[in-house]
Amino acid sequence: GEDVEQSLFLSVREGDSSVINCTYTDSSSTYLYWYKQEPGAGLQLLTYIFSNMDMKQDQRLTVLLNKKDKHLSLRIADTQTGDSAIYFCAERPREYGNKLVFGAGTILRVKS
Amino acid sequence: DAGITQSPRYKITETGRQVTLMCHQTWSHSYMFWYRQDLGHGLRLIYYSAAADITDKGEVPDGYVVSRSKTENFPLTLESATRSQTSVYFCASSEGSRGYTFGSGTRLTVV
Repeated sequence: GEDVEQSLFLSVREGDSSVINCTYTDSSSTYLYWYKQEPGAGLQLLTYIFSNMDMKQDQRLTVLLNKKDKHLSLRIADTQTGDSAIYFCAERPREYGNKLVFGAGTILRVKS
Repeated sequence: DAGITQSPRYKITETGRQVTLMCHQTWSHSYMFWYRQDLGHGLRLIYYSAAADITDKGEVPDGYVVSRSKTENFPLTLESATRSQTSVYFCASSEGSRGYTFGSGTRLTVV
């Protein structure tokens, strides 16, 4: 079956850059997504990238996609304490239609 | 208010009772989903719906029932609650390629 893998935990200092990595399995995935979940809240869509793109930048967020290695990363520049959350990577395999496959999430802790 | 609303926010119920979690969206999105989130398991899909009157099982459907008589509502019913169904439940809706929009979740405790 499909599987999306993420590292469990990342700790960074305030002001540093954070890089959260994800590997996915389905090369047919048309879109890949990053979600953020703050404590006690639902998942919030941060950004997404179409599979024919290599990079997407949105303010402090940069998404890099390496289709050959099926690797997706999310870089957060100038990380703030408000960025502390769980970050989920998700893929959308073509044969799954509108269903997404989520990773288990990466807990980002930002130390002041 | 526009958006996706889940109710109740918190629920405590006893083993064996039937409980229904509500989900309402205001966008008329075609797709709606129910997930449960548990430590160590991430998000697991329970049921999803592609349109009114069309539902399908996800990864962990046992013990749950859904219906979708109207596009905007997608209730999830636990027919006879068990302690293993203690979890945080998230509803989501989707249209096109923009990914899902999630509700704030229902924290369910079965005692």
